[in-house]
Amino acid sequence: EAQVTQNPRYLITVTGKKLTVTCSQNMNHEYMSWYRQDPGLGLRQIYYSMNVEVTDKGDVPEGYKVSRKEKRNFPLILESPSPNQTSLYFCASSFPSGAGNLYEQYFGPGTRLTVT
Amino acid sequence: DAKTTQPPSMDCAEGRAANLPCNHSTISGNEYVYWYRQIHSQGPQYIIHGLKNNETNEMASLIITEDRKSSTLILPHATLRDTAVYYCIVRVSGNTPLVFGKGTRLSVIA
Repeated sequence: EAQVTQNPRYLITVTGKKLTVTCSQNMNHEYMSWYRQDPGLGLRQIYYSMNVEVTDKGDVPEGYKVSRKEKRNFPLILESPSPNQTSLYFCASSFPSGAGNLYEQYFGPGTRLTVT
Repeated sequence: DAKTTQPPSMDCAEGRAANLPCNHSTISGNEYVYWYRQIHSQGPQYIIHGLKNNETNEMASLIITEDRKSSTLILPHATLRDTAVYYCIVRVSGNTPLVFGKGTRLSVIA
């Protein structure tokens, strides 16, 4: 089954304790992205990756890192989490869109992170 | 990207057509209209997209006005499982991020 998976689905942690949220897709998509969703603010893009070893900042990259060593995986790293990073996080993937064509993004089930 | 305006909420009776409007009066010629939905904190789900012509797939129909300043998503026979927040997004081709607004919360009522 074509899907985007995220782990963990739920995580409660403390300020400053490094954590990684994994994202994996089995559709051979080049493009992957991380979003966070907060009440009243909608979904905002954190980082995205056009392909292996290529990553770029989205709208809200501060406090996050990503890596793209393999096509299927795109982990989100919080080196020193803070309470304002408490949020619902989504990973998404798609084929790359070019001029004149667009591909839909497939989203993972979400990771609910609480930082105390 | 152009901004969109959607009503914050709508109700629809089960089995009836749900018509969700979206205004995108500043859309430019190379921007597509996308619709996604999100069912209670699940990951957003792609529904349909179009540029100028009306589009239909197994989930919905998309009607875009001739001047492209507004569009309507139609769920022809709404079910309780269609209760969700529906997002209208305009976006150029290329890997620009999806910009989700507040969407329309559709409640399908039995």
